[in-house]
Amino acid sequence: GAVVSQHPSRVICKSGTSVKIECRSLDFQATTMFWYRQFPKQSLMLMATSNEGSKATYEQGVEKDKFLINHASLTLSTLTVTSAHPEDSSFYICSALQSGARRRNEQFFGPGTRLTVL
Amino acid sequence: GQQLNQSPQSMFIQEGEDVSMNCTSSSIFNTWLWYKQDPGEGPVLLIALYKAGELTSNGRLTAQFGITRKDSFLNISASIPSDVGIYFCAGRLGGGATNKLIFGTGTLLAVQP
Repeated sequence: GAVVSQHPSRVICKSGTSVKIECRSLDFQATTMFWYRQFPKQSLMLMATSNEGSKATYEQGVEKDKFLINHASLTLSTLTVTSAHPEDSSFYICSALQSGARRRNEQFFGPGTRLTVL
Repeated sequence: GQQLNQSPQSMFIQEGEDVSMNCTSSSIFNTWLWYKQDPGEGPVLLIALYKAGELTSNGRLTAQFGITRKDSFLNISASIPSDVGIYFCAGRLGGGATNKLIFGTGTLLAVQP
């Protein structure tokens, strides 16, 4: 159980285009999902918290108009990188929060999406 | 963003050796977690710690939640080649509405067969 998928796993796009990344919780419902960015040889940095049915909460320094988050259902959150530039190239990882007393609110991570902007 | 101090930054060991890594913070955490990340993959949870002083094992892995709630360590005994990867600690400040995790800087482990 507690499987999180991401799609696509890898994407290459031209500068100026927009890219959508999907994060799905496959066998549980997640009212809260998180989006992280990881640059090479660095740690995971939280970008935003995605809440089902409400606006996402962005971390300081993350442009909400640049990184659009939509959490339209209990199993799906999407991250859209708008007008992508080469400096947006990174590994984007989502996680889904499995809440409840037994699960102790643990986050389960997706396999990540490698974005390369040319 | 905020990160936890994790050491060592990297380790190169022989198969069969024991490994120890730790994380420290200036903040108090209610939960400490240890993850392993393989190249090109997302982190996978290894051990979760929920109480100060708690010592938990998962196979060859043992982790402890520091008494001060500001540190944690992870030990790997009798390392094997598949232990290779990057290990991250993560702390959670509190439950309730946030559940946000703050990650450590990572420890790269290389195991020589």
